[in-house]
Amino acid sequence: EVQLVESGGGLQQPGGSLRLSCGASGFNFKNYALNWVRQAPGQGLQWVSSISRGDTYYADSVKGRFTISRDNSKSVVYLQINSLRADDTAIYYCTKVRVGDGYIYGASDVWGPGTMVTVSS
Amino acid sequence: DIQMTQSPSSLSASVGDRVTITCRASQGIGNYVAWYQQKPGKVPKLLIYSASTLQSGVPSRFSGRGSGTDFTLTISNVQPEDIATYFCQNYNRAPLTFGPGTKLNI
Repeated sequence: EVQLVESGGGLQQPGGSLRLSCGASGFNFKNYALNWVRQAPGQGLQWVSSISRGDTYYADSVKGRFTISRDNSKSVVYLQINSLRADDTAIYYCTKVRVGDGYIYGASDVWGPGTMVTVSS
Repeated sequence: DIQMTQSPSSLSASVGDRVTITCRASQGIGNYVAWYQQKPGKVPKLLIYSASTLQSGVPSRFSGRGSGTDFTLTISNVQPEDIATYFCQNYNRAPLTFGPGTKLNI
């Protein structure tokens, strides 16, 4: 079964840092691009970042503060979040791109259950 | 950046109705559109990709059309379990923007 499971969320103060992890199983991880998508409470979906086999992409709102990376040997994708702000409060979902060509330009066919990040003093 | 708009923002339907949700891209994006369904308190689920291709396991009452800038998601014979918010997404180029969502009430 193809599965993604996020971890690392929690309560952090403004200006703090968190590292989110997403463990994958059930597919040939190194061949697929992965995404992070977030959803603030009661709001819609916001694409945050993507990683292909070798390239990274970011939403303007997180560029310079967030860093996406992957460890193909462990089948894990990470999202390092620095300089946390209140508007980063959201559920963070890890998603897998449907097509295994390594490119980010595909629909997300598998979503993890999400991990909640709360930024508050 | 490509902006995605959706209309209506919410709609009410009766069981058995046919409903259509529209998604418009600010620039042409070919058929690089996906539709997702998010039921209350649940994780989003892929319904349609490439504007019109039904994801495996999705009921055939869901269908998608469009290319370029204008896209539609149609649910024929609406069922009670279709209560959800529906999002379109551009995946033609980064940022991979989502529409604001359309909430379907029964």
